[in-house]
Amino acid sequence: KAGVTQTPRYLIKTRGQQVTLSCSPISGHRSVSWYQQTPGQGLQFLFEYFSETQRNKGNFPGRFSGRQFSNSRSEMNVSTLELGDSALYLCASSPSFNRGGNTIYFGEGSWLTVV
Amino acid sequence: AQSVTQLDSQVPVFEEAPVELRCNYSSSVSVYLFWYVQYPNQGLQLLLKYLSGSTLVKGINGFEAEFNKSQTSFHLRKPSVHISDTAEYFCAVSPSGGTGGYQKVTFGTGTKLQVIP
Repeated sequence: KAGVTQTPRYLIKTRGQQVTLSCSPISGHRSVSWYQQTPGQGLQFLFEYFSETQRNKGNFPGRFSGRQFSNSRSEMNVSTLELGDSALYLCASSPSFNRGGNTIYFGEGSWLTVV
Repeated sequence: AQSVTQLDSQVPVFEEAPVELRCNYSSSVSVYLFWYVQYPNQGLQLLLKYLSGSTLVKGINGFEAEFNKSQTSFHLRKPSVHISDTAEYFCAVSPSGGTGGYQKVTFGTGTKLQVIP
């Protein structure tokens, strides 16, 4: 079955703009998480959604937000972009919530460059 | 709270040589342990995971890892590497009980494996 799909793959934005990234999880997966990956900070957890509800949030400012739809697809939004927001944004899905041993399945990511 | 330390940011190794990528973790509770691999311009994919049972875990592509509870380590090994193993490897932990859920996965900073022909 199809893997985690993220769109767009690459995008360039200007400081102060906002951006929306989209993620379609593996069919049947109800849990979606987002991560920011940068060379300096590594992988940092942004937030997780399950059944359209945000279950956990990482240490990011309020400019970072997300949502999940009834079909489990998810979007994340970053407002008032800063140069430091340039990163690879990874979406991951998992069959269920609340089971620590679940394998996380990652998409290929969305490369965001802020200029 | 939990943390993961990957001691080596980069590991160069000649093709067909063995390799060990080191991972140490810290946690106040029991944990599940994972190794993920990221090939260039791709997302992460699971190599192997330890949930319980045998402390020696075998994964894909000939990799294996050993869980050592006393040393809080989960080192990744391969007896003979190939050029195609060039990638970044991430160690990760998550709580094994309660309401931890996978979302509390904590990743290490990654180790770049460079296989030299």
